[in-house]
Amino acid sequence: AQSVAQPEDQVNVAEGNPLTVKCTYSVSGNPYLFWYVQYPNRGLQFLLKYITGDNLVKGSYGFEAEFNKSQTSFHLKKPSALVSDSALYFCAVRDIYSGNTGKLIFGQGTTLQVKP
Amino acid sequence: DVKVTQSSRYLVKRTGEKVFLECVQDMDHENMFWYRQDPGLGLRLIYFSYDVKMKEKGDIPEGYSVSREKKERFSLILESASTNQTSMYLCASSLQLSNQPQHFGDGTRLSIL
Repeated sequence: AQSVAQPEDQVNVAEGNPLTVKCTYSVSGNPYLFWYVQYPNRGLQFLLKYITGDNLVKGSYGFEAEFNKSQTSFHLKKPSALVSDSALYFCAVRDIYSGNTGKLIFGQGTTLQVKP
Repeated sequence: DVKVTQSSRYLVKRTGEKVFLECVQDMDHENMFWYRQDPGLGLRLIYFSYDVKMKEKGDIPEGYSVSREKKERFSLILESASTNQTSMYLCASSLQLSNQPQHFGDGTRLSIL
């Protein structure tokens, strides 16, 4: 079965320190992977995606993610966290059985708390 | 920029009412989606549509229906609202290419009393 796991419900980091939000996936073949961020009382905003090519993907707001096929992971990273990065983060993978419907399978979400 | 607009940010309805949630996107996207988001349960797909008048059930379609008469508009209908349908509802759209992200509206927080 296809799935996405975000093993940490919450990640706490001090402002200025590097941050990592973890994501692992289980899907056959080559995965299409996405990261989204959700601020309070807002919808999800697209941050970045991995489709093919370079394993390090850069996205919005200084975030990047590293695709690791052998570990089936797609961890979100940022070199220096800001208090304004505090939000709920979702990892998602394309449902490979859905054709071009664009259907995604989402992880449960990880709350990132950046403290001053 | 893609804009996905949900008609209401907050909505309060009574048990048994028929409730309509509207979603409009302005980027000619073929695919549209309805999710509900509940604490501890993440996002759950209710229905999606890949073309006008086409719809498919998601993971939790019971108690809901949808309508897509025009490409830009996707409506979610609660046939007879119940208190367990109190939730945040999110609409999204995407191009009909599997490598494209979904774009989300700001959500409708629906309370059923």
